[in-house]
Amino acid sequence: TQLLEQSPQFLSIQEGENLTVYCNSSSVFSSLQWYRQEPGEGPVLLVTVVTGGEVKKLKRLTFQFGDARKDSSLHITAAQPGDTGLYLCAGGTGSGGGADGLTFGKGTHLIIQP
Amino acid sequence: DTGVSQNPRHKITKRGQNVTFRCDPISEHNRLYWYRQTLGQGPEFLTYFQNEAQLEKSRLLSDRFSAERPKGSFSTLEIQRTEQGDSAMYLCASSRLAGNTIYFGEGSWLTVV
Repeated sequence: TQLLEQSPQFLSIQEGENLTVYCNSSSVFSSLQWYRQEPGEGPVLLVTVVTGGEVKKLKRLTFQFGDARKDSSLHITAAQPGDTGLYLCAGGTGSGGGADGLTFGKGTHLIIQP
Repeated sequence: DTGVSQNPRHKITKRGQNVTFRCDPISEHNRLYWYRQTLGQGPEFLTYFQNEAQLEKSRLLSDRFSAERPKGSFSTLEIQRTEQGDSAMYLCASSRLAGNTIYFGEGSWLTVV
């Protein structure tokens, strides 16, 4: 069974601070996706990374895929209250069957206080 | 793309009743997935279709659960004889091909009382 561990589980910081959340696994993934989810809504895709060592930037968000494709991080610069939400990482193996579905971590609950 | 559409968004039902959720994927997406998410957890894979064929079912999908995608477009997820433990958000997602990005709908909340 492939597991994705996300840390921290909960994070509450002040507006303007920087933060990093982590997604780790002992398994190799062909791709890794980050989603943001608000209460009562479905996950909204932020980014997909597919190459080991890949770094992608989305405004104040920086995503990195580990060289071995087993882990990933999300760094937010100058966090804003609008960044509040549940951040989920999800790994895909792309090897066919249900494995083409995603394995999700439990998420990081992020609260940015004004 | 109009996005993945799910309905109803919310359903409250009495224990023992049957419920059905519908999902309309993004047009031309071959793959359709169902996930379940409970409070404080990430989504858990239930089943997926490639076109009209149901290719895999998770062990989470008990005999009371059945999913169909008869024409390879929309899908339904039926839960028979609902139990309180079925209370969760049921998420539908779709993608073009294997390994491609998966897009989620807004989910259907089920509360069994």
